[in-house]
Amino acid sequence: DSGVTQTPKHLITATGQRVTLRCSPRSGDLSVYWYQQSLDQGLQFLIQYYNGEERAKGNILERFSAQQFPDLHSELNLSSLELGDSALYFCASSVGDRPHTEAFFGQGTRLTVV
Amino acid sequence: AQTVTQSQPEMSVQEAETVTLSCTYDTSESDYYLFWYKQPPSRQMILVIRQEAYKQQNATENRFSVNFQKAAKSFSLKISDSQLGDAAMYFCAYRSEGGSEKLVFGKGTKLTVNP
Repeated sequence: DSGVTQTPKHLITATGQRVTLRCSPRSGDLSVYWYQQSLDQGLQFLIQYYNGEERAKGNILERFSAQQFPDLHSELNLSSLELGDSALYFCASSVGDRPHTEAFFGQGTRLTVV
Repeated sequence: AQTVTQSQPEMSVQEAETVTLSCTYDTSESDYYLFWYKQPPSRQMILVIRQEAYKQQNATENRFSVNFQKAAKSFSLKISDSQLGDAAMYFCAYRSEGGSEKLVFGKGTKLTVNP
C-alpha cells in the first residue's frame, strides 16, 4: 500500500459526460501529480499541484481541470468526455520540495467512456 | 524537452536467470534523476530503483541493479535470479533536478518470467 488513495477504482460513463476523480496523497506529502496511461500514448504527465497551487502543466486538455484543496486532496475533472479519454488515470504524491524523493502512486482510476 | 526510449517492447527470461532491460534518454541537463518503475497486473506503480545523475556509482537494490552510462545517456536495469513475481511492465523514467518534479516515462517493457 503506497498510502495514496484514489477513488473510484473504476468508472464507466457516456460520451459528453463529466466525471471527477479524487486523490488523497500520503500523509505529509504536499505535491500531487496526475498522469494518464493509455495504450497509444503511454504514461503522460497531466498536471502537478504543490500545497494548493498549480506548479506544472503537461499534456492536459482544456476539457480537463484539476485542483488541490486545503486538506491537500486533489480532484481531476474531466468534461465533455470522448471515447479517446478512456484510460487509466494515476495520482502520485511526493514531499514536493526535494526532487530526489520518491513519488508514490495510487492504484489508479480506470475510466471507460462508452 | 526530455524524452525516454525503451526499445524493447517485450522481454522474457527463465526463472533464476538474469535479464537486462534497456533505456536511453535525451536531455540537455546535467543534473537529473532516473528511475525504474514496475507495474504488475495489479496496475500499481512501484519504484524499483533510483539513480542520481551526479553519482558515478551504479545503484543496487537486492536483485536489481542499474548500469548508468551518463555520457551515453543510457540507464539499463539488470534483474538477477529472476522470480515469477518479477513479471510485470517496467517503465524507465526521468526527472529534472530543478523545476517541476514531474516524471517523463518511456513506453515500457513487458517482462515475462518463464518457470
